[in-house]
Amino acid sequence: DAKTTQPNSMESNEEEPVHLPCNHSTISGTDYIHWYRQLPSQGPEYVIHGLTSNVNNRMASLAIAEDRKSSTLILHRATLRDAAVYYCILRDPLYGSGNTGKLIFGQGTTLQVKP
Amino acid sequence: NAGVMQNPRHLVRRRGQEARLRCSPMKGHSHVYWYRQLPEEGLKFMVYLQKENIIDESGMPKERFSAEFPKEGPSILRIQQVVRGDSAAYFCASSPYIRAQETQYFGPGTRLLVL
Repeated sequence: DAKTTQPNSMESNEEEPVHLPCNHSTISGTDYIHWYRQLPSQGPEYVIHGLTSNVNNRMASLAIAEDRKSSTLILHRATLRDAAVYYCILRDPLYGSGNTGKLIFGQGTTLQVKP
Repeated sequence: NAGVMQNPRHLVRRRGQEARLRCSPMKGHSHVYWYRQLPEEGLKFMVYLQKENIIDESGMPKERFSAEFPKEGPSILRIQQVVRGDSAAYFCASSPYIRAQETQYFGPGTRLLVL
């Protein structure tokens, strides 16, 4: 699986936008970019995913660079409840090659939100 | 539709005992994944199962660990003769398909403490 690189930690003020970067310079043309987050003492939860175009949902936006070598998760107005570890994960659809859909988690970015 | 359910949420075992962790996937989901999160570490894939079949157990320790997903009932992760190093949070996730754009839904986890 292609590797992702994220900053270890970031800080944000409450109600301000947050941009969480992810580098994935070895991404293949068919890899999907997924973001999950893990709140303290909880299981991971899906945030958003995309392939080439920018994506928006009720939780966040995902901006994907034109060359797809990087992406940015955008939280438009951070709240204290957004304090979590955010994971950027690439998913290869080539299941016939032995990929069974498991998620490969890196260390993620720990987001702190200050009131 | 209830989410992924795991029980027990907390489990305390003494060294040498057996631990059984249960996971009920979301309704209609036939793909189950187990992940382990050691203290202060990221999540690591352990095993992927479909009904009555282990598809990928590349992340499972070679000894003492086993998993099953019977035709009826929850998926079970079994750890025999537990040691202190097995203390961790164990999460299961389910999905309806294994497409690269598919979301995995995580349970709240079972926190195992080995005394």
